[in-house]
Amino acid sequence: DQQVKQNSPSLSVQEGRISILNCDYTNSMFDYFLWYKKYPAEGPTFLISISSIKDKNEDGRFTVFLNKSAKHLSLHIVPSQPGDSAVYFCAATAGGTSYGKLTFGQGTILTVHP
Amino acid sequence: GAGVSQSPSNKVTEKGKDVELRCDPISGHTALYWYRQSLGQGLEFLIYFQGNSAPDKSGLPSDRFSAERTGGSVSTLTIQRTQQEDSAVYLCASSLGPSQIGGEQYFGPGTRLTVT
Repeated sequence: DQQVKQNSPSLSVQEGRISILNCDYTNSMFDYFLWYKKYPAEGPTFLISISSIKDKNEDGRFTVFLNKSAKHLSLHIVPSQPGDSAVYFCAATAGGTSYGKLTFGQGTILTVHP
Repeated sequence: GAGVSQSPSNKVTEKGKDVELRCDPISGHTALYWYRQSLGQGLEFLIYFQGNSAPDKSGLPSDRFSAERTGGSVSTLTIQRTQQEDSAVYLCASSLGPSQIGGEQYFGPGTRLTVT
């Protein structure tokens, strides 16, 4: 039962262009969403998050959009840089005692070409 | 400051042996999590410790898996009678707060376990 899905295993983008990574979820109890970035041989690092009471959150080059009705979120990176090349995971959590338990998608490998 | 550390970084073991994986969370973080990532898969939640509360073990795949957290700090994940399907990267994370909304989790580099 894959509650969080990233349907694109990989994405290739030219430097300077926009990268759009997508994520879908099925559990309507999820109320907080996060994006993590992972380099090889390292643990994931937190990138940006969004609460279900918002539909957009921006931090520098990174913007996360949430469409609750469609149970869909996306991460926009603009402009993309070669150093952004990594695996990106979206994650979700529900309220109450489930806050600590993140459910992750399978990840999308982003490659930004110079 | 120091991040989350895990040891060993790599572990190769024979099928049927027991293994222990260690996690040192960030000092002051009250919440500690274990996840694993099998080849080509996303991160799978295993267990969650919060302060002195009973851990959430809902993600442990079988009774061969157990974890403890001593003194509210260091945690050990034990896998008994290892099987080849246990081969994965085991990741530990910690966060500052308990049920803080989406408490940002800081991950260690992981332990790559290979069961031969």
